[in-house]
Amino acid sequence: AQSVTQLGSHVSVSEGALVLLRCNYSSSVPPYLFWYVQYPNQGLQLLLKYTTGATLVKGINGFEAEFKKSETSFHLTKPSAHMSDAAEYFCAVSEGGDSWGKLQFGAGTQVVVTP
Amino acid sequence: GAGVSQSPSNKVTEKGKDVELRCDPISGHTALYWYRQSLGQGLEFLIYFQGNSAPDKSGLPSDRFSAERTGGSVSTLTIQRTQQEDSAVYLCASSLGQVVGETQYFGPGTRLLVL
Repeated sequence: AQSVTQLGSHVSVSEGALVLLRCNYSSSVPPYLFWYVQYPNQGLQLLLKYTTGATLVKGINGFEAEFKKSETSFHLTKPSAHMSDAAEYFCAVSEGGDSWGKLQFGAGTQVVVTP
Repeated sequence: GAGVSQSPSNKVTEKGKDVELRCDPISGHTALYWYRQSLGQGLEFLIYFQGNSAPDKSGLPSDRFSAERTGGSVSTLTIQRTQQEDSAVYLCASSLGQVVGETQYFGPGTRLLVL
């Protein structure tokens, strides 16, 4: 069985400051990991994903995440926050196999960027 | 090309009525997914299709919920005898359907309100 925990339902960051969103997962098999962003009244947009290979993954809009198997984590970071980063962010895991198409999402983290 | 489209964008219905939600996937995508997003439950997987078959229906919350896909393209999610707890945003996504861990592309969602 798989599950995803996002620490912090709300995060407030100053413009120009580091953005750090935490995601931990549990999975019985090597997971596929995703970060999605949702802007108000819109669907989800993929930021980045880890499937295999390099554990540091770079995505759109300056975001990156590192897969740490020993810590079962996939934290999302961005060195310098922009006002346009204000949105809700979701971490998700997929195990493949019989659950080939199923994404299990975390509860989400709402990011507020202050001037 | 066009993204995933969903209709209607908003639906208000009375308790006990049936509703149909439609999803048009990206052209050429063989996999199609339905998720539900609600305040209390977050983002939940409902069902996914590979072609016209549904290998995983594990997320459908009750037998009032059903989904079909015809011609490997458009999908319809039907909720019979709607209840107030069915109020949520219903998101559809599609993907190529070729490899595990591939990106799912989301539509803008249908916002359902059951009075």
